Amino acid sequence: DTEVTQTPKHLVMGMTNKKSLKCEQHMGHRAMYWYKQKAKKPPELMFVYSYEKLSINESVPSRFSPECPNSSLLNLHLHALQPEDSALYLCASSQVWGTNTEAFFGQGTRLTVV
Amino acid sequence: QQQVKQSPQSLIVQKGGISIINCAYENTAFDYFPWYQQFPGKGPALLIAIRPDVSEKKEGRFTISFNKSAKQFSLHIMDSQPGDSATYFCAASKVTGSSNTGKLIFGQGTTLQVKP
Repeated sequence: DTEVTQTPKHLVMGMTNKKSLKCEQHMGHRAMYWYKQKAKKPPELMFVYSYEKLSINESVPSRFSPECPNSSLLNLHLHALQPEDSALYLCASSQVWGTNTEAFFGQGTRLTVV
Repeated sequence: QQQVKQSPQSLIVQKGGISIINCAYENTAFDYFPWYQQFPGKGPALLIAIRPDVSEKKEGRFTISFNKSAKQFSLHIMDSQPGDSATYFCAASKVTGSSNTGKLIFGQGTTLQVKP
């Protein structure tokens, strides 16, 4: 099973709302990632968790707040977003870096901020 | 130093033809080079990957060629099919050693259209 499951698939939120994106994997991966992808652009890394600890924050605005409650789950809490934050948000997981480090992506959450 | 340059931006190939997408990188510390395939509205799917100690890797109709001295790698899709029509991203990462991060640096993507 190489599946990374993201919910919801689509989300529309107002600029004053608070919402959360969820990601789950059962491959035993201990590295999990959030990427943001705008239309016709490559994914851009936002956060990396390694062994449930935040290891990389790519200078992401504080209105995005990641959380890794356990080794299978990754959340992204959203608050006071801007319309320019509308994008496809992708979760990925992999073994912690080494010789077998393929990263598997979920289907993404299409976020629209109105 | 962290960039991965991908070309062409778009590609049209006849069914049965060979699709070739090229990437170049700058950081010699990169030691893992995957290719991802992405259909509209879907997440990227890992297609094939190579490490720098190998010059070529083949999986079915997909082949990666790797030139370490030129810091270039390419994806060849043999016998291209309409179902291969998608966006392809090359990427690079450093996955071993003390300064690894697991961070994937993506190329800008190539939109492939295979005409029936």
